[in-house]
Amino acid sequence: QVQLVESGGGLVKPGGSLRLSCAASGFTFSDHYMSWIRQAPGKGLEWVSYISSSSRNTDYADSVKGRFTISRDNAKNSLYLQMNSLRAEDTAVYYCARVIVGATLFDSWGQGTLVAVSS
Amino acid sequence: DIQMTQSPSSLSASVGDRVTITCRASQGISNYLAWYQQKPGKVPKLLIYAASTLQSGVPSRFSGSGSGTDFTLTISSLQPEDVATYYCQKYNSGPFTFGPGTKVDI
Repeated sequence: QVQLVESGGGLVKPGGSLRLSCAASGFTFSDHYMSWIRQAPGKGLEWVSYISSSSRNTDYADSVKGRFTISRDNAKNSLYLQMNSLRAEDTAVYYCARVIVGATLFDSWGQGTLVAVSS
Repeated sequence: DIQMTQSPSSLSASVGDRVTITCRASQGISNYLAWYQQKPGKVPKLLIYAASTLQSGVPSRFSGSGSGTDFTLTISSLQPEDVATYYCQKYNSGPFTFGPGTKVDI
């Protein structure tokens, strides 16, 4: 079955950087767009970014544009999120999610990795 | 950008009750609307897409309707396992915004 496993979260100081990874299995990774979605503690869901199956197209929420970079390695069935210039408001659980073919909605989610930005 | 709102923000109902949650888009999004369920401590789960199409495996007591700017999620007979926060999400174009959520309790 579909499995998405995030890693790379942790505690980082404001202005710091972190790289999240998501290992995918149980489906043909290269067929699907992928996305990152985050959830601040006790808050709602916020879409962060998506990347097309070939990496040709990417998009970002305004809140992270210019600071975060999404990428993927289809040979390794892996998705990444490079996060720079981190702020306290980036503190959240970051979910890796599979995008349904043909529509930007999310039918499989990882368990998430917690990113905490604090001095 | 299109904003998504939901009402109510929370509700409490009895087992067997009919529950309705509303989602509103600030501009028309046709039927590009999905609903997700997030149980306490769990990962979100896709319930409904295209405003009214049930995702495979979702119980038939869940239904969705609407088009344009106004949408509803209905649970025809609330069950204890339906305690969760429900989110709508637009997907006609980016940004793929979620609504703020509706918390449903028994």
